Amino acid sequence: EPEVTQTPSHQVTQMGQEVILRCVPISNHLYFYWYRQILGQKVEFLVSFYNNEISEKSEIFDDQFSVERPDGSNFTLKIRSTKLEDSAMYFCASSEALATGKLFFGSGTQLSVL
Amino acid sequence: GESVGLHLPTLSVQEGDNSIINCAYSNSASDYFIWYKQESGKGPQFIIDIRSNMDKRQGQRVTVLLNKTVKHLSLQIAATQPGDSAVYFCAENSGNTPLVFGKGTRLSVIA
Repeated sequence: EPEVTQTPSHQVTQMGQEVILRCVPISNHLYFYWYRQILGQKVEFLVSFYNNEISEKSEIFDDQFSVERPDGSNFTLKIRSTKLEDSAMYFCASSEALATGKLFFGSGTQLSVL
Repeated sequence: GESVGLHLPTLSVQEGDNSIINCAYSNSASDYFIWYKQESGKGPQFIIDIRSNMDKRQGQRVTVLLNKTVKHLSLQIAATQPGDSAVYFCAENSGNTPLVFGKGTRLSVIA
């Protein structure tokens, strides 16, 4: 069964450093998403991406965040200058359609900012 | 504020019993609801969805009920198994808006 893959599974970084989280969505999906989950809390929407541009973003997704689809398979989330409060599990997801609740999530990248 | 939420943060059931997980939403315009299961160390996994023109939808061992009058959604799991232990999230999707998750209910199955 096709799946969304994310790397790395864990990332430790110093405050102020840049991090890039990587994702390979399901190959025939056209819509891509990043969500995050702070430990023990709900899953929060960050950004959706379609046709090489951001479709929608939340208040969390400020100027420190950016997304990119550098080639035909990868989808990345960059945090330019990490803060302590960026520590969370970051999930990439993809879907076949936009108006759908059926998202396929990866296993996540646990980001720890020290 | 958030438009979806859950009545109970934890639920413990005996193996073989039925489980009922509840969810409340506040946005009357919501027209699409989804249940996700999140096992430890994994991302959320789609279980079942329901559109607002339906009251009930059944899957394999799971049933989702929607009561639009009181803005309430529930997930029923029949014959709960140890593998059902996870955190369950309801989520809302209206039109092309991003999926909004509730806070989650942790289901623990007692063998």
